Amino acid sequence: NAGVTQTPKFQVLKTGQSMTLQCAQDMNHEYMSWYRQDPGMGLRLIHYSVGAGITDQGEVPNGYNVSRSTTEDFPLRLLSAAPSQTSVYFCASSHGGQGNQPQHFGDGTRLSIL
Amino acid sequence: KQEVTQIPAALSVPEGENLVLNCSFTDSAIYNLQWFRQDPGKGLTSLLLIQSSQREQTSGRLNASLDKSSGRSTLYIAASQPGDSATYLCALKGNQFYFGTGTSLTVIP
Repeated sequence: NAGVTQTPKFQVLKTGQSMTLQCAQDMNHEYMSWYRQDPGMGLRLIHYSVGAGITDQGEVPNGYNVSRSTTEDFPLRLLSAAPSQTSVYFCASSHGGQGNQPQHFGDGTRLSIL
Repeated sequence: KQEVTQIPAALSVPEGENLVLNCSFTDSAIYNLQWFRQDPGKGLTSLLLIQSSQREQTSGRLNASLDKSSGRSTLYIAASQPGDSATYLCALKGNQFYFGTGTSLTVIP
């Protein structure tokens, strides 16, 4: 069982570069989300989606774009990377969006912006 | 905005000890609370999910309680083992998901 798969696992970018972090799940979950984890700040919600074609902003959406063209995939795009976006990024999925079902997390993408 | 606090930030105990991890929150209007475990370099693994109408959930050596009126949840770990060493995070579902900063647990053999 693959669960939630994130690629790449590690990435180094230069300031101003753009890139896409990939997230795929094979559990037919409606709800998918992106978080960033920074030391001393916990996980913060960037964007989320309650189903294909529907996305919404979380707590820290600036500098990031998302799309949800299929149930399985939820890519996160950094438009113009900044050092403040150096972080560990986690994708999660669950049935429904009310949190009645456990969230499943990927192993993360560790991103450094120079 | 929901504020979620976990105290202590780090905890070290000898093997076999029972322990309690704490999670406090400021807004009681939540749908549920979830406890996760995170191992170094890994994602989060769900341990227990408590619905807002429930008071506690149990799984093996783990017991989680929820008191919305006081804005508190606890995770009780019985007979701790070295394999329990990890960071434990609580997360609340209100209008969005909010996470605490975690408690790093070390169980000493």
